[in-house]
Amino acid sequence: QQQVKQSPQSLIVQKGGISIINCAYENTAFDYFPWYQQFPGKGPALLIAIRPDVSEKKEGRFTISFNKSAKQFSLHIMDSQPGDSATYFCAASNQAGTALIFGKGTTLSVSS
Amino acid sequence: DSGVTQTPKHLITATGQRVTLRCSPRSGDLSVYWYQQSLDQGLQFLIQYYNGEERAKGNILERFSAQQFPDLHSELNLSSLELGDSALYFCASSQGQGAYGYTFGSGTRLTVV
Repeated sequence: QQQVKQSPQSLIVQKGGISIINCAYENTAFDYFPWYQQFPGKGPALLIAIRPDVSEKKEGRFTISFNKSAKQFSLHIMDSQPGDSATYFCAASNQAGTALIFGKGTTLSVSS
Repeated sequence: DSGVTQTPKHLITATGQRVTLRCSPRSGDLSVYWYQQSLDQGLQFLIQYYNGEERAKGNILERFSAQQFPDLHSELNLSSLELGDSALYFCASSQGQGAYGYTFGSGTRLTVV
């Protein structure tokens, strides 16, 4: 079973701090690594995604760091805000595959 | 609004019953994916349809089935329901056959009592 392992399960960060969520994968054929954000009562929404040909991708306060040799990638949320409080999922897939394999999720709480 | 429409939003039914969940993809999207989300298992891929044809299967039980109609909407049929089937069921759509650019609907919360 292809797996994506995500940690931590939950995270509490103060407003203005940096939130870091980590994921590790096993299948070296994976070539697409998105992060999804989910608010209660809503479906997951694509936040940012990266391909393995780059080591970092930044969009606003959100950055993905990718380490191909370690088979790990992480999401950094800079200047975390209470509105960022949500569940974050990492995922992976490959060009030949059709389904995203999701991590178990991280519940982020940003305290004001 | 993501553009992916799922109905109903909530469903409460008894064990042994059969239900149908409906999904309308975003305009222009040909692929529909079904996922089950539970607290212990997370988001689990069930099945994908592309332009009316089954494309891939994941951890879908034999009691579950799906189809995609000519107008591209999809239905997920769950039968002989058990308490353990209680979960959020999400539909996602994308333009092509690959996993890039999934857009999820808001889900159907199924409660089996």
